[in-house]
Amino acid sequence: KQEVTQIPAALSVPEGENLVLNCSFTDSAIYNLQWFRQDPGKGLTSLLLIQSSQREQTSGRLNASLDKSSGRSTLYIAASQPGDSATYLCAVGSRLTFGEGTQLTVNP
Amino acid sequence: DTAVSQTPKYLVTQMGNDKSIKCEQNLGHDTMYWYKQDSKKFLKIMFSYNNKELIINETVPNRFSPKSPDKAHLNLHINSLELGDSAVYFCASSPFSGAGGTGELFFGEGSRLTVL
Repeated sequence: KQEVTQIPAALSVPEGENLVLNCSFTDSAIYNLQWFRQDPGKGLTSLLLIQSSQREQTSGRLNASLDKSSGRSTLYIAASQPGDSATYLCAVGSRLTFGEGTQLTVNP
Repeated sequence: DTAVSQTPKYLVTQMGNDKSIKCEQNLGHDTMYWYKQDSKKFLKIMFSYNNKELIINETVPNRFSPKSPDKAHLNLHINSLELGDSAVYFCASSPFSGAGGTGELFFGEGSRLTVL
């Protein structure tokens, strides 16, 4: 059974800092991995989708990497802004198993 | 136009009642999902339909019954509501599904169910 762990559970950083969120999964036989953000009281917004054949994906200030063999993915956020404050979740596998998320606060 | 829309957004009801949540997507996707987010914010898949056919059915009480009249709609009916059913229920859709995995998921805003 796939298990997904996200570390840290919460992170607070000053504006402008670069940061890394981590996602690890137990079953490396995945098709793809997705990163989402969730704002309070809202649904999830897809940030990046990495196929199993890819090593990384970039969108603006976001860069996600995938190492299938070690069961890890990272989400790198450059030059963080207060608007980046949200909960970030990763999901893997055909049954879309989610981690518990990292709650990010970027302080002005 | 909202891509994935759910109604109602809030639902407060008594134990034992039956309620439904509706979901519609206008993205032309083949696959739709229901997720439950509990009080600890943990998201868990409940059901997935591909072109009106059930493809994922997690260990969910049979009081929960999804219905997909067409590939743009996936409704969730809950019988004999219990206190533990209180949660936020999210509908989502994606371009394709199957054993190979999913495409990019698009989520609705959620339906917050409170059972008293």
